[in-house]
Amino acid sequence: GIQVEQSPPDLILQEGANSTLRCNFSDSVNNLQWFHQNPWGQLINLFYIPSGTKQNGRLSATTVATERYSLLYISSSQTTDSGVYFCAVEGMDSSYKLIFGSGTRLLVRP
Amino acid sequence: NAGVTQTPKFQVLKTGQSMTLQCAQDMNHEYMSWYRQDPGMGLRLIHYSVGAGITDQGEVPNGYNVSRSTTEDFPLRLLSAAPSQTSVYFCASSYRSGGQETQYFGPGTRLLVL
Repeated sequence: GIQVEQSPPDLILQEGANSTLRCNFSDSVNNLQWFHQNPWGQLINLFYIPSGTKQNGRLSATTVATERYSLLYISSSQTTDSGVYFCAVEGMDSSYKLIFGSGTRLLVRP
Repeated sequence: NAGVTQTPKFQVLKTGQSMTLQCAQDMNHEYMSWYRQDPGMGLRLIHYSVGAGITDQGEVPNGYNVSRSTTEDFPLRLLSAAPSQTSVYFCASSYRSGGQETQYFGPGTRLLVL
């Protein structure tokens, strides 16, 4: 099945810094989503982005489908950005089966 | 809207016991799914459903059953609990429209099997 790798596994930032999280996937996808899991465990959908670029406030994401990777950018980080960021993909032949990466754990210090 | 609700929030079972984790959504979403999350790992898909009466297996279906008799409800049954099923379980629902999908997750059920 499709493999999803995220990097880095852990990231510590000072408040106000920028960061880039990466998601590599092993096969073509028709669905790619980014999620944030806050320190209390709640999962929130950030982006649906199987290709192209999207922005939402301080967050933006870019997926280069032909090269099988996606990037999540966090600018001017805040302590509330702390948590785990997951990338999840659905392969072309795997309808409705979202496969998650192991995540990037982000800690933003004040 | 209540969104996606899960009950119970926390459960302790003994090995061999059975139980049902409840999941409900009030957004009229066609797609619902169950995931488990183990420490330091991402979510793994257990079962999913694309509509009432239709279910299919995910990555780790063994030891779990599901049914989808209504659009709103998608219960997950543990047939004979094992310590390896100790985990946090998340239910999710989503819709797909115009090339867009948004998944909504419930708050999770923390299960401990002794």
